Amino acid sequence: GEDVEQSLFLSVREGDSSVINCTYTDSSSTYLYWYKQEPGAGLQLLTYIFSNMDMKQDQRLTVLLNKKDKHLSLRIADTQTGDSAIYFCAETVFNTDKLIFGTGTRLQVFP
Amino acid sequence: KAGVTQTPRYLIKTRGQQVTLSCSPISGHRSVSWYQQTPGQGLQFLFEYFSETQRNKGNFPGRFSGRQFSNSRSEMNVSTLELGDSALYLCASSLSSGGTNEQFFGPGTRLTVL
Repeated sequence: GEDVEQSLFLSVREGDSSVINCTYTDSSSTYLYWYKQEPGAGLQLLTYIFSNMDMKQDQRLTVLLNKKDKHLSLRIADTQTGDSAIYFCAETVFNTDKLIFGTGTRLQVFP
Repeated sequence: KAGVTQTPRYLIKTRGQQVTLSCSPISGHRSVSWYQQTPGQGLQFLFEYFSETQRNKGNFPGRFSGRQFSNSRSEMNVSTLELGDSALYLCASSLSSGGTNEQFFGPGTRLTVL
């Protein structure tokens, strides 16, 4: 079935790295996404990785994809208080735009 | 380039009423999808439209319906509102369908059913 899992909470100190993990089930997913949601706001596309890639780096963000274990991670370097938000990973259902979202990880950054 | 816009941003309705939400995709985008976000169920897929055709539908009752116009703008309608329909409704647009393009979300419409 379709299921994407994430841990619910992560707390880090400002300046440290954050790593948010996600496991997915659909091995035919084309894209895997990371979205950020701040309170009262919609979803902001942070980054994505194509399913035939292992890693993608975009400024402070690094996405790692382990297709064998169906594991996706998002690393945020030099985490800032402005990074405090809920982070969702999502997978696409094959040949559609339908996204299956994880439960979201609430990242709290403290000084 | 303007992002995805949704109107209205906030709505308050009472049980039994109906509501129509609107989504304007990014210029040039032809695919629009809708999602419902609630604290209990998280983000759940409602519909996907491409070129005025519904390509996918989520597991929601028939009270939830949608459509897409020739200019790619989309509307969703919820009839006979229930308290449980209170949620943030998000739409996303992408260049084309098939899961091969990035999807960008609007700010959402927050619906409160009293």
